[in-house]
Amino acid sequence: GQQVMQIPQYQHVQEGEDFTTYCNSSTTLSNIQWYKQRPGGHPVFLIQLVKSGEVKKQKRLTFQFGEAKKNSSLHITATQTTDVGTYFCAGPSRAGGTSYGKLTFGQGTILTVHP
Amino acid sequence: SAVISQKPSRDICQRGTSLTIQCQVDSQVTMMFWYRQQPGQSLTLIATANQGSEATYESGFVIDKFPISRPNLTFSTLTVSNMSPEDSSIYLCSADRGGNEQFFGPGTRLTVL
Repeated sequence: GQQVMQIPQYQHVQEGEDFTTYCNSSTTLSNIQWYKQRPGGHPVFLIQLVKSGEVKKQKRLTFQFGEAKKNSSLHITATQTTDVGTYFCAGPSRAGGTSYGKLTFGQGTILTVHP
Repeated sequence: SAVISQKPSRDICQRGTSLTIQCQVDSQVTMMFWYRQQPGQSLTLIATANQGSEATYESGFVIDKFPISRPNLTFSTLTVSNMSPEDSSIYLCSADRGGNEQFFGPGTRLTVL
């Protein structure tokens, strides 16, 4: 079945350093979504990428969707302690070519930021 | 974005009992989903709950263990039946308003003794 792999599993950075997490799918995706889960919280939708090669920015966050629509990345510039949490990528699950709205989540990258 | 509430937020239950988790959305949504998440782990989809039809379960999850109701477009329940310590986890509901992205409830932290 479809797999969404995410690396690294953990990332520890000093405040001010940059951070990147990578997501790879075993199949071509119609779109890819990114979510952030703060410690003790629930996943919160960040963004959706749809087009091949798409790049979107949210302040210090830059999201990219690969040309083949099988990989994606999230880059945070100059991390802050408020960036702490787990970042998940997610792609539509496929069943007979139809996703029915279901998502397959990557394993997540746990980001720790040391002040 | 949708606002989703879950009840209870946490519970401690005895082995062999059942717990029903409620999920309420502040607006009508077509699709609702139930997930399980172990601390520090990713989200595992249990089932998809659509109004007016039987829930669709993922591999490894069965209706007898996790019966789901979806009586209307704003509400769903998940029951964890005949619980064992292995069912201890965080249970999350989510909703899709048609734009692909999902909005999650705050979760129910279940501990089974």
